[in-house]
Amino acid sequence: AQTVTQSQPEMSVQEAETVTLSCTYDTSENNYYLFWYKQPPSRQMILVIRQEAYKQQNATENRFSVNFQKAAKSFSLKISDSQLGDTAMYFCAFMMLSGAGSYQLTFGKGTKLSVIP
Amino acid sequence: DAGVIQSPRHEVTEMGQEVTLRCKPISGHNSLFWYRQTMMRGLELLIYFNNNVPIDDSGMPEDRFSAKMPNASFSTLKIQPSEPRDSAVYFCASSFAQGAVGYGYTFGSGTRLTVV
Repeated sequence: AQTVTQSQPEMSVQEAETVTLSCTYDTSENNYYLFWYKQPPSRQMILVIRQEAYKQQNATENRFSVNFQKAAKSFSLKISDSQLGDTAMYFCAFMMLSGAGSYQLTFGKGTKLSVIP
Repeated sequence: DAGVIQSPRHEVTEMGQEVTLRCKPISGHNSLFWYRQTMMRGLELLIYFNNNVPIDDSGMPEDRFSAKMPNASFSTLKIQPSEPRDSAVYFCASSFAQGAVGYGYTFGSGTRLTVV
């Protein structure tokens, strides 16, 4: 079974600064996908960024970027120029093709990020 | 696109009562997932459907839980009888799976269930 570990239950960052959230995973698969989801106080789960395991290039989405280290099974999220609206729970997730042609997401426990004005 | 629609947004019920949560996935998505979120256990996959067929229900905690997907645009999660430990936020999510390409899920806003 795949596992996803987020070792930082809580983090804080000053507005406009940069913060990195850690994530490690365990799998014997070679083809998979990794995601970061954001859950603000509204509880809506919002997809932040997606990485394909077969791509060596790290994914970026505006102020959000990842550091994907496949051999180390590490997938960290960097948020640059942090904004108050980035305050949320962040979940790292692993996805692989399961039986019957469907994809299953496994989530980490989450990191609560607070952006301080 | 209205996104994944869940109802109700909040539900408060008494122990022993039947509870039905509803989900309308995004049109064209062929996979649907039910998750439960609690502080203690995080996000847990309860069951998922592919092309309206239940694929894996190993996450359903007990026989009190059941889920159906009668057509591509509607799914229900039922708890009968409900217990206080069922109190959680229940999310529905949908996605489109084609071949070897995996896309992220789109989540609904969740239903916060409180069983008193």
